[in-house]
Amino acid sequence: DVKVTQSSRYLVKRTGEKVFLECVQDMDHENMFWYRQDPGLGLRLIYFSYDVKMKEKGDIPEGYSVSREKKERFSLILESASTNQTSMYLCASSLGQGPGLLSYEQYFGPGTRLTVT
Amino acid sequence: AQKVTQAQTEISVVEKEDVTLDCVYETRDTTYYLFWYKQPPSGELVFLIRRNSFDEQNEISGRYSWNFQKSTSSFNFTITASQVVDSAVYFCALRGRGANSKLTFGKGITLSVRP
Repeated sequence: DVKVTQSSRYLVKRTGEKVFLECVQDMDHENMFWYRQDPGLGLRLIYFSYDVKMKEKGDIPEGYSVSREKKERFSLILESASTNQTSMYLCASSLGQGPGLLSYEQYFGPGTRLTVT
Repeated sequence: AQKVTQAQTEISVVEKEDVTLDCVYETRDTTYYLFWYKQPPSGELVFLIRRNSFDEQNEISGRYSWNFQKSTSSFNFTITASQVVDSAVYFCALRGRGANSKLTFGKGITLSVRP
C-alpha cells in the first residue's frame, strides 16, 4: 500500500512565525503535491513537483514556498505565517503519466490542520 | 481551462436508500481522466475510481457504480443501499492529458447517511 505521511495532524503557530510542513511518501513516486482545503472552496493546489529539486506553482502559491531535496520528501514552507493561512493542508503523491497515457491517481496523506493565531 | 462542478453541496439520506452524486466537467482536452475520491471524517482522501475519456463503460464495484457520459460531460456516482459508513465528503476530479496537467477538484459533496 502507498503510504503518505505528514509530520503533524494539528499545528498551532503564531502570526509571523516560519512554518514547515513535511510530507514523506514511501512508494518511489515521481510527483508530489501540496493542497489546502477550505470549507466551500474544495481543494486548491499550492505547489507541485515532478522531480527532485523541481517545483511548479499551483493555483495559489502566494505566501508559500516548497523544497524537494529528496524524491520521497516534499516540504511546504510558510515564510511568515498569517491568519489567512489557517487551513487544512493535504500532501499527495502519484506516479507520472504511464504507458498508454494512463494518468495515475494521487494518494493523499492524512492532512495537517494548521491554525495561525 | 478545466472545471469540475458538483452542484449538490450536501445530501442527507436514510440508511438503505440509494443516492447519486453528480459531477459535471469542462475541458478542451480530447484525452482526459476523471476521478472520484472519498474523504471520511478522519480527513484522509481515499481514491475510489479513475476513468479514461476513451473508455465510456460504466463500472460497478459492490454497492458503488459510476455512470460516465461524454455527451453530457458527466461522471455521476451512485451508492446503492447506503450505509452510515458512507457518510463522507466526496470529490470528483479531472486531469488533462499533458504531462504537467494539474488535477482539478470539484468543491465536494457532503453525504450524511442517517441510521
